[in-house]
This record gives sequence, structure tokens and C-alpha cells, in this order.
Amino acid sequence: EPEVTQTPSHQVTQMGQEVILRCVPISNHLYFYWYRQILGQKVEFLVSFYNNEISEKSEIFDDQFSVERPDGSNFTLKIRSTKLEDSAMYFCASRAGQINQPQHFGDGTRLSIL
Amino acid sequence: DQQVKQNSPSLSVQEGRISILNCDYTNSMFDYFLWYKKYPAEGPTFLISISSIKDKNEDGRFTVFLNKSAKHLSLHIVPSQPGDSAVYFCAASARGQNFVFGPGTRLSVLP
Repeated sequence: EPEVTQTPSHQVTQMGQEVILRCVPISNHLYFYWYRQILGQKVEFLVSFYNNEISEKSEIFDDQFSVERPDGSNFTLKIRSTKLEDSAMYFCASRAGQINQPQHFGDGTRLSIL
Repeated sequence: DQQVKQNSPSLSVQEGRISILNCDYTNSMFDYFLWYKKYPAEGPTFLISISSIKDKNEDGRFTVFLNKSAKHLSLHIVPSQPGDSAVYFCAASARGQNFVFGPGTRLSVLP
């Protein structure tokens, strides 16, 4: 069964550094998402992406965040200048184009900011 | 603003019995609901969905019930198995927009 893959599984970065989290969505999916889960808290929506542009973003997704689909397969989340509070699990998800389809998640990247 | 609530942070059930996980929502525009299961160190795995035109959807051991007037849905797992022990998230969306997740309920199925 096709799946969403995320790399790396764990990223350790110094505060203030830039980090790029990578995702390969399911190949025929059209909608792409990033979520995060801070330890012990709920899964929070960050951003959705469709047709090469952001379709929706949350208050968390401020100017330090950006997303890109640089080619036909990858979907990346960049955090420009990381802060301690960015430490979390970051999940990528994708879904097919038809309405009322579930999102399928990757296994996440654990981001640790030191 | 918690649009999707799961008021029980944890639930313990004996193997073979029924597990009932509950979810409440406040946004009457939500028309599509999902349940996800999450194991530690893995991403959420889609379990079952229901759209607002139905009040029940069944898939094997999993059944989701939707009560639109009460803005309540529940996931029934029967019979419960130890491998069902995980965190269960309810999620809802309105008109194909982004999903809003509940905080999750940790289910422990005891052998």
C-alpha cells in the first residue's frame, strides 16, 4: 500500500539555525499538509498546500515557516530561524483530490532544538 | 477554542470487551469525520470515516456512530484486542477544508 514517507526521522538543530523537513506524499495525491505535535499535546494543523500554493494556514504558521513542492514528488517544510519551542514531532499528510477523503500521514520527524 | 473535544484522556478495557471512544464537536458546519489510531513513534493511521449524511459506518471490528443533533460521534471497537492499545484521535472537517483534531484518548486493552 502506498505511504507517505518523511525524512529524517530525527533532526537535532541548534537554536537559530534553519531546518528543512522533507516529505514524499503518496504519488497521486493532490493535497498536502503539515502538522505538529508538541510532546504531550494534541496534533496541531500548520498548513495545507494545493495546486502549488498554500490553501490554508494556522496562526502557528508565521513568517519563519515556509513550504515548497520543489519537484513532482517532494514536499518540504522550512523553519528559518528555529526556536526552542519549535521542538516537536512534525507530521506530513496527503490526500487524494476527491472531496471527503482521509488524509494519510507519514511517521513524522522528531525535531529537537538545542 | 476546542472545536473537537475528546473528554476522556484515557480508557482501559478488558480484552474481548467493547471499547467506546467518544468525541464531541462544536462546529455545526463539520460534515466529515475521521478516526485515527496512533502508536508511539509512528504517524496517525486512518481507521474509519463517516460523512454527515450517515449515522453509522462499520468496518470489521470498528463502527463509528454519528449523532448530528448532539454533535457527538463515537468509535466502537468490538472485540477489543491488546493490539488496539494506542491513542485514538477524532478529526472533523467542513466542506473539504482542513481537518481539526481532538486531543486524543489513550486506549489500553488489558489481557
